[in-house]
Amino acid sequence: ILNVEQSPQSLHVQEGDSTNFTCSFPSSNFYALHWYRWETAKSPEALFVMTLNGDEKKKGRISATLNTKEGYSYLYIKGSQPEDSATYLCVMSGANNLFFGTGTRLTVIP
Amino acid sequence: NAGVMQNPRHLVRRRGQEARLRCSPMKGHSHVYWYRQLPEEGLKFMVYLQKENIIDESGMPKERFSAEFPKEGPSILRIQQVVRGDSAAYFCASSPMGSNQPQHFGDGTRLSIL
Repeated sequence: ILNVEQSPQSLHVQEGDSTNFTCSFPSSNFYALHWYRWETAKSPEALFVMTLNGDEKKKGRISATLNTKEGYSYLYIKGSQPEDSATYLCVMSGANNLFFGTGTRLTVIP
Repeated sequence: NAGVMQNPRHLVRRRGQEARLRCSPMKGHSHVYWYRQLPEEGLKFMVYLQKENIIDESGMPKERFSAEFPKEGPSILRIQQVVRGDSAAYFCASSPMGSNQPQHFGDGTRLSIL
């Protein structure tokens, strides 16, 4: 079993603040790194998939980076809004299996 | 362009009964994944299937649980002789190809065991 760790576990930020959180994963057996956004009472929504070292992806105010050599990915949110409040899940996939982090619970305070 | 469809949305069973959860992947998706979310916990991977094949079932309990994804029809997660600890939300996701593709999730089935 491989450990995917996310930090912090939870985070409160003021509306308008920018924030970021971390996903660390073992470099061995790496195939892809996924970020999902999961709102309460809904199903997870795919944000990004990254496969190459140095990959950067952007979707509106949210962006992510990937470092496969040192085994981490950052997710950034610029100018947080209350609707960004959700749990952000990091998932590492090997060729045939998936390893979930426990998520970072973000609360944006209006 | 329907997304991943799971049914039923809510399922209530008594201890010892069988639970069958269905998942129809998005059109064109041949890879299906099942996850379980126990109360107060995150998503846990259970099983990964491709049409007619189980690719990885390392997250699925060895007893009472089984999954299939037949050539025709939805994927089925089957839990025999359910116990209280099986109460959870069960999510299904699908992707067009393998595990480097983003997964699209269904709304989940909430299983309650009386």
